[in-house]
Amino acid sequence: DTGVSQDPRHKITKRGQNVTFRCDPISEHNRLYWYRQTLGQGPEFLTYFQNEAQLEKSRLLSDRFSAERPKGSFSTLEIQRTEQGDSAMYLCASSLGGLAGMAYEQYFGPGTRLTVT
Amino acid sequence: KNQVEQSPQSLIILEGKNCTLQCNYTVSPFSNLRWYKQDTGRGPVSLTIMTFSENTKSNGRYTATLDADTKQSSLHITASQLSDSASYICVVSAPNNAGNMLTFGGGTRLMVKP
Repeated sequence: DTGVSQDPRHKITKRGQNVTFRCDPISEHNRLYWYRQTLGQGPEFLTYFQNEAQLEKSRLLSDRFSAERPKGSFSTLEIQRTEQGDSAMYLCASSLGGLAGMAYEQYFGPGTRLTVT
Repeated sequence: KNQVEQSPQSLIILEGKNCTLQCNYTVSPFSNLRWYKQDTGRGPVSLTIMTFSENTKSNGRYTATLDADTKQSSLHITASQLSDSASYICVVSAPNNAGNMLTFGGGTRLMVKP
């Protein structure tokens, strides 16, 4: 399977615990995105990387959230001291990128569903 | 604030019928508009991408239209199938300093009944 993969698919954790999610993008894609989606809503942008550089972060990304892409390949999203409001689907997407004005297709992974009890 | 509004929020149609989903946006400047299909519990899958210079694009039974002047788009599904049951999300891309930022609509939840 050469698509975007995410692990785990489901995570249940108690409030206050830390969780880490992993995303493996399509191998030749230099851009990687993280989104959060709550039930019945569209995804909301969290952050994005071009290669290993984190180029943009949403205001939604509080200081409890941190994302890394150390070698420009896979990425991790960590949530510290989880709160019930963090319960959501966390989606990862990847794309090619670099040329201004080009509409690069984003390919989404299956998501990690987080439930904070 | 950049927004993408979709209507209706939900729709039920009979198998074989056609339907049209609407998307209005206020995102500016505008780079491109995308329609995604999202099955329950899965990630979104792209159906079409249109730049401001395109006013229609088809992908099989899916046809998207774009009016960049009125900032409206529609997705028309022809001869619906049970497998079309999903959420359809309109996404508008705006260029920014770091790249293209996507603004997602809330989606239209379509149910196709036999």
